[in-house]
Amino acid sequence: DGGITQSPKYLFRKEGQNVTLSCEQNLNHDAMYWYRQDPGQGLRLIYYSQIVNDFQKGDIAEGYSVSREKKESFPLTVTSAQKNPTAFYLCASTSFGEAGANVLTFGAGSRLTVL
Amino acid sequence: EDKVVQSPLSLVVHEGDTVTLNCSYEVTNFRSLLWYKQEKKAPTFLFMLTSSGIEKKSGRLSSILDKKELSSILNITATQTGDSAIYLCAVERGTNAGKSTFGDGTTLTVKP
Repeated sequence: DGGITQSPKYLFRKEGQNVTLSCEQNLNHDAMYWYRQDPGQGLRLIYYSQIVNDFQKGDIAEGYSVSREKKESFPLTVTSAQKNPTAFYLCASTSFGEAGANVLTFGAGSRLTVL
Repeated sequence: EDKVVQSPLSLVVHEGDTVTLNCSYEVTNFRSLLWYKQEKKAPTFLFMLTSSGIEKKSGRLSSILDKKELSSILNITATQTGDSAIYLCAVERGTNAGKSTFGDGTTLTVKP
């Protein structure tokens, strides 16, 4: 079945550590996105990539980094520079040039807790 | 700066009630407005609205866009406990397809 796989589902991190969240899609989608969700808030865009080897900062990119070496994969690294990293992280994708291309397909999310 | 505001932020109803969720936006070069339902983890797509005044319907859910008022409503009739979820509204600009701005969501709780 086609979809987006995020791992791990739960992650605990000590302060000062970098962690990497995985996002893999087998939908052959061109664009991929990382959103952050805090309690009582909507989704805020961290980074997005519309093509391999290219990505742009979203609204809250500080303290995060990404790479897009393969079309299927868009890992997010939460660095020690991110002051408040405890949150729910959602990866999404979409494909351009198709009907409903602006509809996002989401992964199941990764919950990061900083101890 | 793009802005999407949803109201109410939370709502508690009983099974069988009808609810109306609101979404207003301020976006340059509007392209589309989308509604998603988030039950536990991954939001799932409900509706995409691009034209004003045309109602989209799926079972007990319906939605309509008013471009003059820069707003949209999502109606749920005969609510069931399975409708309990966070309902997210997102707006997309024409200049950057797929880069959506989300509202804070409405948390709907349906009690038996």
